Amino acid sequence: SYELTQPPSVSVSPGQTASITCSGDKLGDKYACWYQQKPGQSPVLVIYQDTKRPSGIPERFSGSNSGNIASLTISGAQATDEAAYYCQAWDFSTVIFGGGTRLTVL
Amino acid sequence: EVRLVESGGGLVQPGGSLRLSCAVSGFTFSGYEMNWVRQAPGKGLEWVSHISSSGSLIYYADSVKGRFTISRDNAENSLYLQMNSLRAEDTAIYYCAREKRSYGLDVWGQGTTVTVSS
Repeated sequence: SYELTQPPSVSVSPGQTASITCSGDKLGDKYACWYQQKPGQSPVLVIYQDTKRPSGIPERFSGSNSGNIASLTISGAQATDEAAYYCQAWDFSTVIFGGGTRLTVL
Repeated sequence: EVRLVESGGGLVQPGGSLRLSCAVSGFTFSGYEMNWVRQAPGKGLEWVSHISSSGSLIYYADSVKGRFTISRDNAENSLYLQMNSLRAEDTAIYYCAREKRSYGLDVWGQGTTVTVSS
């Protein structure tokens, strides 16, 4: 079965750039999405189709996907960005999530 | 306003059954695929099941195949998950989520909690 691998945690200083990776076999041949989940809240879609931001998502969130790696970049990280982030792709018609990355802003 | 509201969660004994519902409003339900996604306490997101907009195509995670059944009623704007033979490892928050293929799961409900314990 298809798997997506994320680092368990990433730390960033306020105002700096955070990058979260997601690896999977030929992931670049698939569309990748990213979700933000804050404690006690439902997930929120922040990136779809590798690079696109839904309405209302700040411009500091960006994405890329090539080869075996998809990345979520948060430029100028803020305290409010502290959350868990999950990558997601499709394997045929099933939804695959990565294990999640806890982003700490300190 | 686009809304998904789950209900039906609760405490159930191992081997028991529950039926979750997801009531939707604010968009044309019949035009979207839908999913159930769960999250065990302190764990990550786990996809459970997918149903196409018409209900004709259905997929399940291996962990629930043969025990769970997804369905929808487009006339009633509702999504369902019938869960049988429940196990302790099914304990989780269950979310319904709207999907438009390649556009991601763009709308999520608030979740309903299922606890399987004796």
